Amino acid sequence: QKEVEQDPGPLSVPEGAIVSLNCTYSNSAFQYFMWYRQYSRKGPELLMYTYSSGNKEDGRFTAQVDKSSKYISLFIRDSQPSDSATYLCAMSVTGANNLFFGTGTRLTVIP
Amino acid sequence: DSGVTQTPKHLITATGQRVTLRCSPRSGDLSVYWYQQSLDQGLQFLIQYYNGEERAKGNILERFSAQQFPDLHSELNLSSLELGDSALYFCASSVAFSQPETQYFGPGTRLLVL
Repeated sequence: QKEVEQDPGPLSVPEGAIVSLNCTYSNSAFQYFMWYRQYSRKGPELLMYTYSSGNKEDGRFTAQVDKSSKYISLFIRDSQPSDSATYLCAMSVTGANNLFFGTGTRLTVIP
Repeated sequence: DSGVTQTPKHLITATGQRVTLRCSPRSGDLSVYWYQQSLDQGLQFLIQYYNGEERAKGNILERFSAQQFPDLHSELNLSSLELGDSALYFCASSVAFSQPETQYFGPGTRLLVL
């Protein structure tokens, strides 16, 4: 079993829709939770990170962490065609240096 | 642009060969991380260097090695290449030794082993 599981999609939504992306994990020691966006043939770009549980909002993006369920989510409101990319969740334990990534969800926002 | 640079962008080579991938971290960053991204495995951590010293190892094969130089650039050496080594190799950097939440990734090197 992988430490981080992510539905690979692909996910296709119309412009303006609310998008929900999710990851589950098995290691209860994870404390840092990140979301990266990766455009085709580019490196991952850090979107948001949260420490421990709770919500974090940044513009149209909201990240949620539910440590009791070992489940994290990224919501994108008013999705735009420019949001079309692969979204990767990543996690880490406090004091560690490496990230554990999900396999990514490919999102397409249709104009 | 993350500020992390990687060369070359593309590399095509044959099985059994050796290649070197290069990474320059963002200005001021002391930590460099190497990751491999393949279709079936996703992004996997290989190794981390901090200020010239190896600090963490992940799923790095014995055929692979890395180093970080005094000017903080890093090189990943891949030897005795196999078809399965074909992947995207990313370098990331951060300021501190342990700052998992703020790693900035370079554009990657796409390696194709024929």
